[in-house]
Amino acid sequence: EVQLVESGGAVVQPGGSLTLSCAASGFTFNDYAMHWVRQPPGKGLEWVALISWNGGITSYADSVKGRFTVSRDNSKKSLYLQMDSLRPEDTALYYCAKDRISGIWASKIFDPWGQGTLVTVSS
Amino acid sequence: ENVLTQSPGSLSLSPGERATLSCKASQSVSSSYLAWYQQKPGQAPRLLIYGASSRATGIPDRFSGSGSGTDFTLTISRLEPEDFAVYYCHHYGTSPTVTFGGGTKVEV
Repeated sequence: EVQLVESGGAVVQPGGSLTLSCAASGFTFNDYAMHWVRQPPGKGLEWVALISWNGGITSYADSVKGRFTVSRDNSKKSLYLQMDSLRPEDTALYYCAKDRISGIWASKIFDPWGQGTLVTVSS
Repeated sequence: ENVLTQSPGSLSLSPGERATLSCKASQSVSSSYLAWYQQKPGQAPRLLIYGASSRATGIPDRFSGSGSGTDFTLTISRLEPEDFAVYYCHHYGTSPTVTFGGGTKVEV
């Protein structure tokens, strides 16, 4: 069974930094692109970032470009999101998600998702 | 950016009834790169439909997707108690970015 377990969420002051982690199991991690998607409390979904199977390709939403960095360690079956210059509008539940299709190209279909980790940006 | 508008915002129905949810894109969705997700309270979203009409693994056949171009529909033929949830459409085209609709809440 595929499992994705996020961690690292916390309360952080505006302008601060935080790193989220996602531990994967139940599938061949280095065969799949991976994604971060966030959801502000009581609101809808927003895609944040993707990283290709080998980390060679990354892509970001305009709202986080230049502030967030996605990375992965295939030897540890782990995905990361380094978040700098955090803003109150970054407050959200952050989900990691596996791409539906293995291989070089990311389908950008998210299946499955982890349970999320909460980031709160507040003074 | 391809903006997805879902309607209605909420839908009040009873178990056994048919639910029809709409997702309209501001630009044509090429190759039907459109998916649907279900999110129950306190849970992560779950993939239901991709490619506009293909059911994901393990999804009951009461869920069906249709549409092309800018107009897409998710239909739940007979609502079960566990189907009351929020549903999101999702455009995942060839461009690097990804967009979601605002969601439709299906409630009793």
